[in-house]
Amino acid sequence: EVQLVESGGGFVQPGGSLRLSCEASGFTFSDYEMNWVRQAPGKGLEWVSYMSSRGDTIYYADSVKGRFAISRNNAKNSLYLQMNSLRAEDTAVYYCARVPPVTIVPYYMDVWGKGTTVTVSS
Amino acid sequence: QSALTQPASVSGSPGQSITISCTGTSDDVGGYDYVSWYQQHPGKAPKLIIYDVSNRPSGVSNRFSGSKSGNTATLTLSGLQADDEADYYCNSYISSSALVLFGGGTRLTVL
Repeated sequence: EVQLVESGGGFVQPGGSLRLSCEASGFTFSDYEMNWVRQAPGKGLEWVSYMSSRGDTIYYADSVKGRFAISRNNAKNSLYLQMNSLRAEDTAVYYCARVPPVTIVPYYMDVWGKGTTVTVSS
Repeated sequence: QSALTQPASVSGSPGQSITISCTGTSDDVGGYDYVSWYQQHPGKAPKLIIYDVSNRPSGVSNRFSGSKSGNTATLTLSGLQADDEADYYCNSYISSSALVLFGGGTRLTVL
């Protein structure tokens, strides 16, 4: 079964840091581009970051640029999101999501994890 | 980058058809045939239902269809069923460093 499982969420004070993980199974992780997408409570989806299959191309949303860092370890079938200088507005469910293969532009996602919750509050 | 514009809510009765619009600019929706749609039930992860404007992934009901005209993409759902009640999001490629833009979401209520 194709699956993505996020972990690492939790409660953190403003200015703090968290590292999210996403473990993939059921497919050859190293062949796939990946995204992080978040959803604040009661709000819509917001794309956060993208990484190519080899990790050599990265994009970030303006709202997290300079504070978040995406990375991956293909040997461990895992995607990561290092989140620093966290703000209250970063409070959200964070999803990792797979980009389908052979897409010309990696803008859409065919497999999503169930998400991990990050709460930033004092 | 501003989110793509979707109506906050739409509603319909069982068996009817509804449409949900997704309006952007020539830098995103209007500039490329790279629009997708997702269905999200409460407390669940989003599910891909349309990609590249009008293509359905394997296993998605043919009651879902997509189209685009100018800067506006449209999701059509025919033969409404109770289980279609969910939030629907569009997303698009955007020609900037951001790469991906989502719509604000539309709550579909089946009356």
